[in-house]
Amino acid sequence: NAGVTQTPKFQVLKTGQSMTLQCAQDMNHNSMYWYRQDPGMGLRLIYYSASEGTTDKGEVPNGYNVSRLNKREFSLRLESAAPSQTSVYFCASSDGGNNQPQHFGDGTRLSIL
Amino acid sequence: GEDVEQSLFLSVREGDSSVINCTYTDSSSTYLYWYKQEPGAGLQLLTYIFSNMDMKQDQRLTVLLNKKDKHLSLRIADTQTGDSAIYFCAESLSGYSTLTFGKGTMLLVSP
Repeated sequence: NAGVTQTPKFQVLKTGQSMTLQCAQDMNHNSMYWYRQDPGMGLRLIYYSASEGTTDKGEVPNGYNVSRLNKREFSLRLESAAPSQTSVYFCASSDGGNNQPQHFGDGTRLSIL
Repeated sequence: GEDVEQSLFLSVREGDSSVINCTYTDSSSTYLYWYKQEPGAGLQLLTYIFSNMDMKQDQRLTVLLNKKDKHLSLRIADTQTGDSAIYFCAESLSGYSTLTFGKGTMLLVSP
């Protein structure tokens, strides 16, 4: 029962370094999402992919890029990390379309010094 | 635009009922969700309600929806210490696959 798997679980970067966060789901879901969670801010959508081959910006896309590698995998890249990107990052997936619940991974805790 | 608001903190004693409240602004909401987040973990879907329903019950959980006031509540009966977590309310809008989350309510259950 893997569901949504995120790697790595923890990472520390220096300002300016690049990093790719990986996400894979085994539920044959069409849609995948990347969120960041900061204290007092709840979850904010960074990017999402409604279906394989498409990606769209969410609420806070600046400083990030994404790739929907195939139906299973959706990666998030920080090209030049900044301290403001210190956060917990969550990947989620859903069947897509209207009103489908999202299923979350356990998160990647990223610190940028 | 859409906005989902929750109170930030709730403290109850073990065995009592907990009621977590949520308000939303977009009248085109179709489904409303409750998620639970335990420390160091991701979000776990607890339950959801379709916007044409008033109430949904699932074991110890009762969801009430007042569509006129755009108010959603989650009642946990016989609250246990294992229920201590952050609870998120989220809405989905007609025609969209994305969700809008509230900032979360931290529930602390004391023995």
